[in-house]
Amino acid sequence: GAVVSQHPSRVICKSGTSVKIECRSLDFQATTMFWYRQFPKQSLMLMATSNEGSKATYEQGVEKDKFLINHASLTLSTLTVTSAHPEDSSFYICSASQRGTGADTQYFGPGTRLTVL
Amino acid sequence: AQKITQTQPGMFVQEKEAVTLDCTYDTSDQSYGLFWYKQPSSGEMIFLIYQGSYDEQNATEGRYSLNFQKARKSANLVISASQLGDSAMYFCAMPRMDSSYKLIFGSGTRLLVRP
Repeated sequence: GAVVSQHPSRVICKSGTSVKIECRSLDFQATTMFWYRQFPKQSLMLMATSNEGSKATYEQGVEKDKFLINHASLTLSTLTVTSAHPEDSSFYICSASQRGTGADTQYFGPGTRLTVL
Repeated sequence: AQKITQTQPGMFVQEKEAVTLDCTYDTSDQSYGLFWYKQPSSGEMIFLIYQGSYDEQNATEGRYSLNFQKARKSANLVISASQLGDSAMYFCAMPRMDSSYKLIFGSGTRLLVRP
């Protein structure tokens, strides 16, 4: 159980275009979904947190107009990188949290590697 | 300030041997927990093990166990009988003090299992 999918796994786009990444919890309802960014050989950096039906909360320094997050249902969150530029090239990974009696373990998707030309 | 530290950027271990990956933390929360995740070269983050600060016994999940020493503020991951497939990045993480459902991650340790 606790499987999270992410699509696409890899995307290459031209500068100025927008890219949408989907994150789905396949076998559980996720109360909260998270979007991270990871640069090569570095740790994960939390970008934003989204709860179903409400606006995402962004971490300090993350442009909300640049990285649009929609959490339409308890199993789907999307991240749209608008007007992408080469500096947006990175590995984006989502996670979903399943509320339980203990700590809220985050289960991660397989990630999306974005390359902006 | 909250901090989580992995001091070993890289580790080698011989196949079938045990290896300990270090993780130290600093928090003023009285109740907290520690997670360990594995990230193979494919990029996915795989949840390995969790232990809460009030759990009396060290957590064990198959070949993974947590050596939790609260007085030393350390939560080391022990992998027994290493396999080639264990070669990956390993991250420890804990809930943030300002928002317990968000995680703060260590910088990671790259483990390479030698045949």
